[in-house]
Amino acid sequence: GAVVSQHPSWVICKSGTSVKIECRSLDFQATTMFWYRQFPKQSLMLMATSNEGSKATYEQGVEKDKFLINHASLTLSTLTVTSAHPEDSSFYICSAYGQGGWNSPLHFGNGTRLTVT
Amino acid sequence: AQSVSQHNHHVILSEAASLELGCNYSYGGTVNLFWYVQYPGQHLQLLLKYFSGDPLVKGIKGFEAEFIKSKFSFNLRKPSVQWSDTAEYFCAVNVGGGGNKLTFGTGTQLKVEL
Repeated sequence: GAVVSQHPSWVICKSGTSVKIECRSLDFQATTMFWYRQFPKQSLMLMATSNEGSKATYEQGVEKDKFLINHASLTLSTLTVTSAHPEDSSFYICSAYGQGGWNSPLHFGNGTRLTVT
Repeated sequence: AQSVSQHNHHVILSEAASLELGCNYSYGGTVNLFWYVQYPGQHLQLLLKYFSGDPLVKGIKGFEAEFIKSKFSFNLRKPSVQWSDTAEYFCAVNVGGGGNKLTFGTGTQLKVEL
């Protein structure tokens, strides 16, 4: 069964609004979670590393004020796309290492398809 | 920064055919290498990984991959594919020694026909 749950699986929003995506680790605590973005026919691109109890680490070129990440508990990280625009439409995927840390498999959520109209 | 190249974007095979998917990476230091699979409608799952030791690693469902350091390659193989192997396959790398971040290739869509 899924060990990382992501919600919602798809969302459609109007330009200028904000959207929150949740990523939960099931049955284990994840001090670190990762947020990826995937454009059609392209690879997964790491956006940021979410750290429980501290600020997220963003990859170069990712706007931290636009993609707000909160990791308030050991089982939940949220990604909020603020003032969304059509170019933010994409597939967002979260992941977390299992209980063995980074030597254990990286578990992925099912992803969230965001469409901004 | 490291990068990962997957040369085959789409592969179509008949059942029982042999499979080899190419993966090359660019990084001169120690790396950890992974192959992930995404079946239709499902999340990414780990097929196999290489950290150190025997360069020929075996994964789930009969897949294996060989790490050839001199060629910066980590090709995925399966002697006889099944229809159920239809999926998208991603090669990924992270820098050895504690790096948590994965860099993914663009993926290879495999379709196995009956």
